[in-house]
Amino acid sequence: KNQVEQSPQSLIILEGKNCTLQCNYTVSPFSNLRWYKQDTGRGPVSLTIMTFSENTKSNGRYTATLDADTKQSSLHITASQLSDSASYICVVSGGTFGRGTSLIVHP
Amino acid sequence: EAGVAQSPRYKIIEKRQSVAFWCNPISGHATLYWYQQILGQGPKLLIQFQNNGVVDDSQLPKDRFSAERLKGVDSTLKIQPAKLEDSAVYLCASSLSPGTSSYEQYFGPGTRLTVT
Repeated sequence: KNQVEQSPQSLIILEGKNCTLQCNYTVSPFSNLRWYKQDTGRGPVSLTIMTFSENTKSNGRYTATLDADTKQSSLHITASQLSDSASYICVVSGGTFGRGTSLIVHP
Repeated sequence: EAGVAQSPRYKIIEKRQSVAFWCNPISGHATLYWYQQILGQGPKLLIQFQNNGVVDDSQLPKDRFSAERLKGVDSTLKIQPAKLEDSAVYLCASSLSPGTSSYEQYFGPGTRLTVT
């Protein structure tokens, strides 16, 4: 069964700190992995997408990594801002969604 | 470029009533998706259209849910009769390609349904 597991379920950090979110997957076939950011009351918005041959992709303060051998991905947020407070969802091969990690950034 | 539009944004109904949601995708996007997102969970695909044909409706509870996409543009999702467990946010998304997973899905703001 295709599955995407994300951890932690929730995370609270102080503004300016870094954090890393994890995504482990068992999805076949694998074509790509995408990270979405979902603000409260809004639809998800794509942050990054990586294919099998890519092991890192950046979008401003967001850096995603992919290890296709271990089937793990991480999303690193640098110098967090209050606006980073959101749910971050990992999606594999366009169709298997994780439950998301809820990030709260406190001033 | 205008985004995906959905209405209504919020809906409260009693169980056993019916409800309908509307979605207008980004112009030119061939593929349209409806998702159900229960609080604290990721979106679950209910149905995927390519133009006006159904590509995947394997997770759509067909005894109570129905969806259509007339003329390959706007779409409606209907629930009849609603159950308490249908309380969720219903997200509509569209993508440019005919269902290729590498193409980004653009999501609307969602409709929050509360069934009492």
